[in-house]
Amino acid sequence: GENVEQHPSTLSVQEGDSAVIKCTYSDSASNYFPWYKQELGKGPQLIIDIRSNVGEKKDQRIAVTLNKTAKHFSLHITETQPEDSAVYFCAAPLAGTALIFGKGTTLSVSS
Amino acid sequence: DTEVTQTPKHLVMGMTNKKSLKCEQHMGHRAMYWYKQKAKKPPELMFVYSYEKLSINESVPSRFSPECPNSSLLNLHLHALQPEDSALYLCASSPQTGVDYGYTFGSGTRLTVV
Repeated sequence: GENVEQHPSTLSVQEGDSAVIKCTYSDSASNYFPWYKQELGKGPQLIIDIRSNVGEKKDQRIAVTLNKTAKHFSLHITETQPEDSAVYFCAAPLAGTALIFGKGTTLSVSS
Repeated sequence: DTEVTQTPKHLVMGMTNKKSLKCEQHMGHRAMYWYKQKAKKPPELMFVYSYEKLSINESVPSRFSPECPNSSLLNLHLHALQPEDSALYLCASSPQTGVDYGYTFGSGTRLTVV
């Protein structure tokens, strides 16, 4: 079936370092790829998304890159801060309907 | 208003109880979703409503019964649940059911079945 694979499952970095999380998807018709951040006790929050007509999108310290040929997309966080510590999920449309999520990456930023 | 509001935030219910979860949004979104999230797992899709009509049921057991009374409100009725149904239940909305809309999630209802 359709799925989204996400790596790594955990990521520990020092404050100020960069963090990269990668996802691959199986449905070649997918054209929308969001990233969500989930803090403890809260629902997922959309932090950035990308559509298939662009290869990269940036918003301050966060960027997403997309390689449609290889069917993978990545989240890049630069100059990490302790408040970036959370669980990050990538997602992709399931057969053109609703979003399905990767398994998540627990990011820990230590000061 | 850019929020999805879910009530209650916490719910403890017995296996013979009937309870309901409520979700509300006033962003004019015409698609609403229920997801279930177990600890340390990703959200799993349960139901999709489009223009107040059920469009997707991901083979969810009948002890979960969704309802969309109007375009702003989504309910999830619970009956005869099992302890393994304990989870965080998340509601989300988007402008429409399409493949390129971001979802706005509520903070969820933490359900414990005893």
